[in-house]
Amino acid sequence: NAGVIQTPRHKVTGKGQEATLWCEPISGHSAVFWYRQTIVQGLEFLTYFRNQAPIDDSGMPKERFSAQMPNQSHSTLKIQSTQPQDSAVYLCASSPGQGDERLFFGHGTKLSVL
Amino acid sequence: GDSVTQTEGLVTLTEGLPVMLNCTYQSTYSPFLFWYVQHLNEAPKLLLKSFTDNKRPEHQGFHATLHKSSSSFHLQKSSAQLSDSALYYCALSDRMGYKLTFGTGTSLLVDP
Repeated sequence: NAGVIQTPRHKVTGKGQEATLWCEPISGHSAVFWYRQTIVQGLEFLTYFRNQAPIDDSGMPKERFSAQMPNQSHSTLKIQSTQPQDSAVYLCASSPGQGDERLFFGHGTKLSVL
Repeated sequence: GDSVTQTEGLVTLTEGLPVMLNCTYQSTYSPFLFWYVQHLNEAPKLLLKSFTDNKRPEHQGFHATLHKSSSSFHLQKSSAQLSDSALYYCALSDRMGYKLTFGTGTSLLVDP
């Protein structure tokens, strides 16, 4: 079991460019979460899916952030027109569900917007 | 809304001394509380989860007691080890038990 896999590990974009972050959850897990990690805010919830369906996107900045889960083996987080304040580590996590709601995190994608 | 407060950004200890990291929360229901730990260059991972029957969870020498009267779930260990140096996050679950709201984290640095 390779755990949750996130690619790329590091991404550098210029201001105004688009960034797409990828997440492969643990096989068999029913839920996928996206969090943003910064020193000041800690771990901020962005969005989550259960059985591929979007459940809660209350943490997503509405205008430029979007997330999808086209199949059970991967999810993407897309940031359009990136801004310097988007610089952070974006963490994906999956959980087994069915009464086991532990989060298993990936190592994250460090996004740097210049 | 639901929130978690971790008042200490950095705690520095000498090896062998006791550890206590503070966590308080606000919620309109009775959530599960969690502690997650993140070592340098690693992913966060679950350390402890509160029980519904008020038993005290323990793992790797760490324990935490959920006090509903004071809305607290402080993390404790009797004797700090160098390997305990890490970033610790307290979190609470939403009403359904799925989504976690995290605090800002406490960095623990244990010196020899």
